Amino acid sequence: QKEVEQDPGPLSVPEGAIVSLNCTYSNSAFQYFMWYRQYSRKGPELLMYTYSSGNKEDGRFTAQVDKSSKYISLFIRDSQPSDSATYLCAMSAGGFKTIFGAGTRLFVKA
Amino acid sequence: DTAVSQTPKYLVTQMGNDKSIKCEQNLGHDTMYWYKQDSKKFLKIMFSYNNKELIINETVPNRFSPKSPDKAHLNLHINSLELGDSAVYFCASSQDEWRYTFGSGTRLTVV
Repeated sequence: QKEVEQDPGPLSVPEGAIVSLNCTYSNSAFQYFMWYRQYSRKGPELLMYTYSSGNKEDGRFTAQVDKSSKYISLFIRDSQPSDSATYLCAMSAGGFKTIFGAGTRLFVKA
Repeated sequence: DTAVSQTPKYLVTQMGNDKSIKCEQNLGHDTMYWYKQDSKKFLKIMFSYNNKELIINETVPNRFSPKSPDKAHLNLHINSLELGDSAVYFCASSQDEWRYTFGSGTRLTVV
């Protein structure tokens, strides 16, 4: 079993839809939870991060962490074609080692 | 103004050759990393350096040798390249343990 599981998609939605991206994990020591966005042929860029459980909102993006279920989510409201990218969840227990999910490819159709 | 820059962006080489990838960051971060991204977009850590000292060395063939001459630079040398080494190699840096800034990647193709 991989430490972090993420459905690779692809996920295709119409413009304006609410997008839900999810990851599950097995290591209960993870304390830091991140979402990175990666455009084609670019490096990942940090989108959202949370520490421990709870929600965090930033504009159209909301990150949720449920440590009891070992489940994290990223919601994108009013999705735009410019949101089309691969979204990678990432987790760390500290110690300068971050484990990434496989990434979910998202397509937002105009 | 690029925060984390890697060179070269593309590298096509024959099996058995030796090649190097260079990385520089101007963010003043203490920690730098090499990650490998395979064709399925899976990012896997290879090495991590903190203030020029190796702190993470995952299960990577010893044909891969990182070197950090100072905390702003982290290079990766690969000996005797194999077909399976074809991937995108990302350099990253961080000031804390979990928020990374990535470079744009080096796409290595071994033929």
